[in-house]
Amino acid sequence: EVLLQQSGAELVRPGSSVKISCKASGYTFTDYYMHWVKQRPEQGLVWIGRINPANGNTVYAEKFKSKATLTADKSSNTAYMQLSSLTSEDTATYFCTIGYYFDYWGQGVMVTVSS
Amino acid sequence: EIVLTQSPTTMAASPGEKVTITCRASSSVSYMHWFQQKSGTSPKPWIYDTSKLASGVPDRFSGSGSGTSYSLTISSMEAEDAATYYCLQRSSYPRTFGGGTKLELK
Repeated sequence: EVLLQQSGAELVRPGSSVKISCKASGYTFTDYYMHWVKQRPEQGLVWIGRINPANGNTVYAEKFKSKATLTADKSSNTAYMQLSSLTSEDTATYFCTIGYYFDYWGQGVMVTVSS
Repeated sequence: EIVLTQSPTTMAASPGEKVTITCRASSSVSYMHWFQQKSGTSPKPWIYDTSKLASGVPDRFSGSGSGTSYSLTISSMEAEDAATYYCLQRSSYPRTFGGGTKLELK
């Protein structure tokens, strides 16, 4: 069974950074790109970018190029997303997802940016 | 970037009513994919490659379209279909989602 287990909710200060994780199991980690998706409260889905865990190659949406950094650790089958210079606009739930059709999704991580 | 515009943004349907949600792309895409999301949960793949139903999706759902115009149809609305539906294009980077259609039960 494919599982994507994401880290817990985060409460962070404006201007700081946060690193969230997505631990994969039930498939070969390097076989699928890991994508990340943002969803602000009561808003739609926004694609952030993806990483190829096999070689670390990344593609980002333009608006996230200086906001998000995607990495992957093959030894632990875990993908990470670091978000920097956080503002209230970054308060959102962040999902990881894999599969050609975005077949499998993590449960989401709620990141709240507040002083 | 390919922009996907969904319509309507919100709608309500009575049990048994036919429902159609459209997704228009700013440039031609090869296929359209659809997701269902209920409050507080992760999106679920619903229709892929324009017209193929994901596992477990009732056959009252269907998808169609080509080029820049796609649609998701429910032949007969049921209570469990109340949710938000999103279209997705993966023909080019960046991947983009439509803004969503919130479907409520009347």
